Amino acid sequence: GAVVSQHPSRVICKSGTSVKIECRSLDFQATTMFWYRQFPKKSLMLMATSNEGSKATYEQGVEKDKFLINHASLTLSTLTVTSAHPEDSSFYICSARGTPERDWPQHFGDGTRLSIL
Amino acid sequence: QKEVEQNSGPLSVPEGAIASLNCTYSDRGSQSFFWYRQYSGKSPELIMFIYSNGDKEDGRFTAQLNKASQYVSLLIRDSQPSDSATYLCARRDSGYALNFGKGTSLLVTP
Repeated sequence: GAVVSQHPSRVICKSGTSVKIECRSLDFQATTMFWYRQFPKKSLMLMATSNEGSKATYEQGVEKDKFLINHASLTLSTLTVTSAHPEDSSFYICSARGTPERDWPQHFGDGTRLSIL
Repeated sequence: QKEVEQNSGPLSVPEGAIASLNCTYSDRGSQSFFWYRQYSGKSPELIMFIYSNGDKEDGRFTAQLNKASQYVSLLIRDSQPSDSATYLCARRDSGYALNFGKGTSLLVTP
């Protein structure tokens, strides 16, 4: 089945650091990738939709200058959390969508747990 | 706001019983629905998706969709302790992103 790889799985760093998270589709071309964030005991909230070769679409309340998304190829999207602060600590999860089937079920990467000290 | 509502639980069932998880949604135009299982600290794992009214079965799992009443349910037969997790109901939006409910915590007791 479709596999989505996300790296790194865990990051611990100091406040002010920028962190890059990679999301790769391993056996299919992902025309669209999605970035979600999950705070403890909360559900997943969509942050942005990333389409290959175009600018990402951010959800209301998500700062595009803070969360930089690049989808330069059909198999790779990156999320960079710039100048991260403790309130950015969260579980970040990507998912990918392949062929334009109406009900292509999204498969998620393993997630990145970001802890900002 | 196109909401997906779930009872947060916890729902506790004995091993071998049927667990019934429910979800309602506000957008009558919603077409596709998904059930994910999420273990603590892990990423969601797809269990089933459904887009037609009625039942869809896959092994021990049955998804049910009633668009007139705007609810989706997931039945887990012969529940096992390993089924203990949070179950997330989601609807697909027009941009193919998923809009999740808050999840229902299921505890299967031996």
